[in-house]
Amino acid sequence: GAVVSQHPSRVICKSGTSVKIECRSLDFQATTMFWYRQFPKQSLMLMATSNEGSKATYEQGVEKDKFLINHASLTLSTLTVTSAHPEDSSFYICSAPIWDREQETQYFGPGTRLLVL
Amino acid sequence: DAKTTQPNSMESNEEEPVHLPCNHSTISGTDYIHWYRQLPSQGPEYVIHGLTSNVNNRMASLAIAEDRKSSTLILHRATLRDAAVYYCILNRDDKIIFGKGTRLHILP
Repeated sequence: GAVVSQHPSRVICKSGTSVKIECRSLDFQATTMFWYRQFPKQSLMLMATSNEGSKATYEQGVEKDKFLINHASLTLSTLTVTSAHPEDSSFYICSAPIWDREQETQYFGPGTRLLVL
Repeated sequence: DAKTTQPNSMESNEEEPVHLPCNHSTISGTDYIHWYRQLPSQGPEYVIHGLTSNVNNRMASLAIAEDRKSSTLILHRATLRDAAVYYCILNRDDKIIFGKGTRLHILP
């Protein structure tokens, strides 16, 4: 089946630094990818839609200058958490869609656990 | 966003069938019903989806009520590896918006 990878799987950084997370579709192309954030014992929250060749679309309440998204190719989207602070510590997950029986089904990456000290 | 309602948690014995319910009374005619599950410390994985007819695949079956206001995910023979949070989602605008899901506990 389709595979989506994320790198790194976990990262620890100091407060004020920026962290880049990569999301790759390994055996298919994706003109859109999605970024989610998940806090402990909570559900996934959609942050933004990454669009290949154009600007990302952010959900309400998500700061676009804080969470920079770049969809440079049909297989790669990156999320950069700028000037990270402890409250940005979370599990970040990306997904990419594939058409299946007239519907897009999402394939999710394994997630990136970010800890900001 | 189209809303779904699921029980917070359920328990089942290993090797028995599990029926996970989902209510979606505000479903529109073009909304597909999707199920995903998330194992601990992993990204979610797709389970099954359907529109009106019941669906079967290697992972599960999806039974959709005739009025489409509810559906049931059926795991035919639960194993310990099926312990996860199961999300029932109405796919609208090709964006997956997650609710709280049902945490399924499997008892050995």
